[in-house]
Amino acid sequence: DTGVSQNPRHKITKRGQNVTFRCDPISEHNRLYWYRQTLGQGPEFLTYFQNEAQLEKSRLLSDRFSAERPKGSFSTLEIQRTEQGDSAMYLCASSLARVIAGELFFGEGSRLTVL
Amino acid sequence: AQSVAQPEDQVNVAEGNPLTVKCTYSVSGNPYLFWYVQYPNRGLQFLLKYITGDNLVKGSYGFEAEFNKSQTSFHLKKPSALVSDSALYFCAVPYSGSARQLTFGSGTQLTVLP
Repeated sequence: DTGVSQNPRHKITKRGQNVTFRCDPISEHNRLYWYRQTLGQGPEFLTYFQNEAQLEKSRLLSDRFSAERPKGSFSTLEIQRTEQGDSAMYLCASSLARVIAGELFFGEGSRLTVL
Repeated sequence: AQSVAQPEDQVNVAEGNPLTVKCTYSVSGNPYLFWYVQYPNRGLQFLLKYITGDNLVKGSYGFEAEFNKSQTSFHLKKPSALVSDSALYFCAVPYSGSARQLTFGSGTQLTVLP
């Protein structure tokens, strides 16, 4: 399967712990996005990379959140000192730079539960 | 700010009947509008988009959407619903500050009853 891959699919952690999610985009896609989705809501934009450069970050992305895409391929999203309010589905998506914004290919998401 | 609203949390329709999932938008200028679908335990999938041109846009899985500028609406439609269409549907619009950020509606759960 050559779609967007995310892992782990589920993560349960205690408040205060750090967690890291990984996203492997479609190989030829140079844009990569992170979104967060809570129950009953639509996805909310967190951040966006073009190749290895992080070009945009939402105000939702507090300083406890950091994302990287070191070689312009896979990306990681780390949450430090997790809080219960961080419990959500974290979605990764990728696209080609030449495609008009909106045609995103999403992974199945990583569900975080903070106890 | 650009935004979309989905006035119905839940839509139920009988298999074989036409379905409509509603979306209204608030956009300055010419809108780009999108529909995505989320099946259980699956990622969001792009269905269709409106950029410009014909007000009736055709997309994947037999879905279409009608852009109505006077009513600021972009309703998703399908002539004959299938049980397999049961899913969560989101309309979306690019964020006003960046075409690369999508703002999603709150979603509409479509249930097609056999």
